[in-house]
Amino acid sequence: QVQLVESGGGLVKPGGSLRLSCAASGFAFSDYYMSWIRQAPGKGLESISYISGKSTDTNYADSVKGRFTISRDNAKNSVYLQMNSLRAEDTAVYYCSRGPRRLDVWGTGTTVSVSS
Amino acid sequence: DVVMTQSPLSLSVTLGQPASISCRSSQSLVYSDGDIYLNWFQQRPGQSPRRLIFKVSNRDSGVPDRFSGSGSGTDFTLKISRVAAEDAGIYYCMQGTHWPFTFGPGTKVDIK
Repeated sequence: QVQLVESGGGLVKPGGSLRLSCAASGFAFSDYYMSWIRQAPGKGLESISYISGKSTDTNYADSVKGRFTISRDNAKNSVYLQMNSLRAEDTAVYYCSRGPRRLDVWGTGTTVSVSS
Repeated sequence: DVVMTQSPLSLSVTLGQPASISCRSSQSLVYSDGDIYLNWFQQRPGQSPRRLIFKVSNRDSGVPDRFSGSGSGTDFTLKISRVAAEDAGIYYCMQGTHWPFTFGPGTKVDIK
């Protein structure tokens, strides 16, 4: 069945880096845009980045621009989020989802905590 | 950024009664292709969001037909015709027309 599984979250100090991964299965991965959306503890949802099927189109929210980089490897059916210069306000559950705007499939999320 | 507002932010509904959530956008959500990219999501406690409705009024596969979406321009509504126990959770509208795509603050639905 169609599935997304995120990994790579953890506890990191301010200024540190993490790389999140999202493994997809059950659909023609390279045909779809993919997104990262995050949810801070007890808060709402924020779309932070998306990438096209061939990686030719990417976009970032201002809150992460210049610090986060989205990429994908279609041979591995995976999308990634490289997060640098992490701040306390980046603490959240990070979800990957299919599409920039369709968001019809979501993973279970991976938790990122930024704290000294 | 497009600001999405929802009302009410909290709703307590008796089992079997109807419920309605309003969502407003700060600007038109009509995309260049003529479509309106307004989605509704349900998030049950401890779970990932689940899409219920896409492009204003299209119900996702497996979503009970008691859920319906409507609206145009900047005003949209999610209706539940007869609330069931499993409908408890937070409901978010989201616009996918203007980047960054933005979500409403959420409406918490509690079942009495």
